[in-house]
Amino acid sequence: ETGVTQSPTHLIKTRGQQVTLRCSSQSGHNTVSWYQQALGQGPQFIFQYYREEENGRGNFPPRFSGLQFPNYSSELNVNALELDDSALYLCASSLEDYGYTFGSGTRLTVV
Amino acid sequence: GQNIDQPTEMTATEGAIVQINCTYQTSGFNGLFWYQQHAGEAPTFLSYNVLDGLEEKGRFSSFLSRSKGYSYLLLKELQMKDSASYLCAVGYSGAGSYQLTFGKGTKLSVIP
Repeated sequence: ETGVTQSPTHLIKTRGQQVTLRCSSQSGHNTVSWYQQALGQGPQFIFQYYREEENGRGNFPPRFSGLQFPNYSSELNVNALELDDSALYLCASSLEDYGYTFGSGTRLTVV
Repeated sequence: GQNIDQPTEMTATEGAIVQINCTYQTSGFNGLFWYQQHAGEAPTFLSYNVLDGLEEKGRFSSFLSRSKGYSYLLLKELQMKDSASYLCAVGYSGAGSYQLTFGKGTKLSVIP
């Protein structure tokens, strides 16, 4: 087990730009979820991927999109960045439905 | 809708016991989780309850009452390193996925 790793750890982008965040899931975990955590708030569910297909989505607009790859890595893409997108983005992987392992997150700042 | 309430902040003394409460009103329920999150770090799993009752794991215990929509996390023999945010989360299955809905977290400060 190598845990869940995310990159980059910190990122600054300008409003209107696009960003890609990356996650390497725990070995063997076929489910990955992405969460957004604004300052002082709990994480909010963005979407979940299972075997490379999106199988659940929270209340986020289509400019939030993702990909999951056969090697257990995944991406979160955000287009047309807005100031309110500034947050900690967490990736979580699991083999079954329970027992999520979270990565340490990417801190995105939109200016 | 989903609504999870927990106190915003708590302070307790080293060596003492503290109880962090969580109430929830959710449209589905498939387990209640507690996570610990130190500032700038990932949430780490503490406990999972799906049936009513108390689950004990070392210094940490978690209780669930599904009929009351209520849970608590009990931390015994507090240590300075327990200063962190504690997140209550309800899991539910919907539309083919398993999701966690989190509360805003309780920031616990342990003082000497």
